[in-house]
Amino acid sequence: KNQVEQSPQSLIILEGKNCTLQCNYTVSPFSNLRWYKQDTGRGPVSLTIMTFSENTKSNGRYTATLDADTKQSSLHITASQLSDSASYICVVRGGGADGLTFGKGTHLIIQP
Amino acid sequence: DSGVTQTPKHLITATGQRVTLRCSPRSGDLSVYWYQQSLDQGLQFLIQYYNGEERAKGNILERFSAQQFPDLHSELNLSSLELGDSALYFCASSVGVLNEKLLFGSGTQLSVL
Repeated sequence: KNQVEQSPQSLIILEGKNCTLQCNYTVSPFSNLRWYKQDTGRGPVSLTIMTFSENTKSNGRYTATLDADTKQSSLHITASQLSDSASYICVVRGGGADGLTFGKGTHLIIQP
Repeated sequence: DSGVTQTPKHLITATGQRVTLRCSPRSGDLSVYWYQQSLDQGLQFLIQYYNGEERAKGNILERFSAQQFPDLHSELNLSSLELGDSALYFCASSVGVLNEKLLFGSGTQLSVL
């Protein structure tokens, strides 16, 4: 069964600290993996996309990694800011009626 | 403004009623997708339309239906509403038939009382 598991379910850190969010998937065949940021009451916004051949990709303070062998991805946030408070959703292309399998997200809270 | 417009932003109704959610995709996008997001669930795919035709169907209940009009806007109709239908409903659009990068709207918060 195609699945995307994210951990932790929720995370609280202090402003300025770093954090890492995890995404494990069992989707096959694999095409790509996206990380989305969803602010409260808003739609998800794409942060980055990882394809099979990519190991690391950065977007400002966000760095995503992908290990296609172990089927794991991570999203590292450096020097967190209050505006980083949001849900982060991992979405793998492959499986699902729409070709996408969604994780349930990690709810991140940045405290001042 | 994300380019995908959803109306209304909030909707409060009673059980047994029928509502219509509306979505205008980003200019130039031909595909429209509908998703449901409940508190304890991730985004659940409901249905996709491409250039007016139904393209893919997910876990959409028989009480729900959708269509995409010639001007490419889409409507999601929810009928015989139940308490469990309370959720955020998102519309997303993409250029082609394959959802390589979805652009989401801000959603419609539906509350069924």
